[in-house]
Amino acid sequence: EAGVAQSPRYKIIEKRQSVAFWCNPISGHATLYWYQQILGQGPKLLIQFQNNGVVDDSQLPKDRFSAERLKGVDSTLKIQPAKLEDSAVYLCASSLGARRSPLHFGNGTRLTVT
Amino acid sequence: TQLLEQSPQFLSIQEGENLTVYCNSSSVFSSLQWYRQEPGEGPVLLVTVVTGGEVKKLKRLTFQFGDARKDSSLHITAAQPGDTGLYLCAGVSGNTPLVFGKGTRLSVIA
Repeated sequence: EAGVAQSPRYKIIEKRQSVAFWCNPISGHATLYWYQQILGQGPKLLIQFQNNGVVDDSQLPKDRFSAERLKGVDSTLKIQPAKLEDSAVYLCASSLGARRSPLHFGNGTRLTVT
Repeated sequence: TQLLEQSPQFLSIQEGENLTVYCNSSSVFSSLQWYRQEPGEGPVLLVTVVTGGEVKKLKRLTFQFGDARKDSSLHITAAQPGDTGLYLCAGVSGNTPLVFGKGTRLSVIA
């Protein structure tokens, strides 16, 4: 089966600019996650979707971050305006949806904010 | 907020050695997952443990879930350079989403 696709792989922007990341999950996976992984740390959940509804966005900095999953398939994560501390790898993952279902991760987008 | 603490943070060993890495918490988890992440890639699931005291083996890797379901360990026998990577544990507790530890970065030198 095709894996989770993410683009772009790398992005360099200046602070206060905006950026968007795209994710296409594994076909049939109802649950989609966006994680932020800062260098040297484990992934931190930003937002979890079940189909096109938000399940958890408690750790999403909503003043600058937004995410949507139209039609319950692809998803985009946007940062506007970016700050230096947003430099990280942004990982998208999908799963079948059951609480113990394994997560399938994409290869991430490495964001550098200068 | 559940915290998963992993130790050691870094580990560098010679090929053929054995090692154990740990994942500890003060919270009880209904299940715990172990992932391995290589540079430039996303984490890949190795195993899920759900029962206290459970032991699972995956070739040279042995995973154990603590009796109280608050901790877990990963033991690698005769490590190989291909085992190099970041080992992450992640736990599910109640209705909270999966939470990850910071990981153990393993380097196996040939």
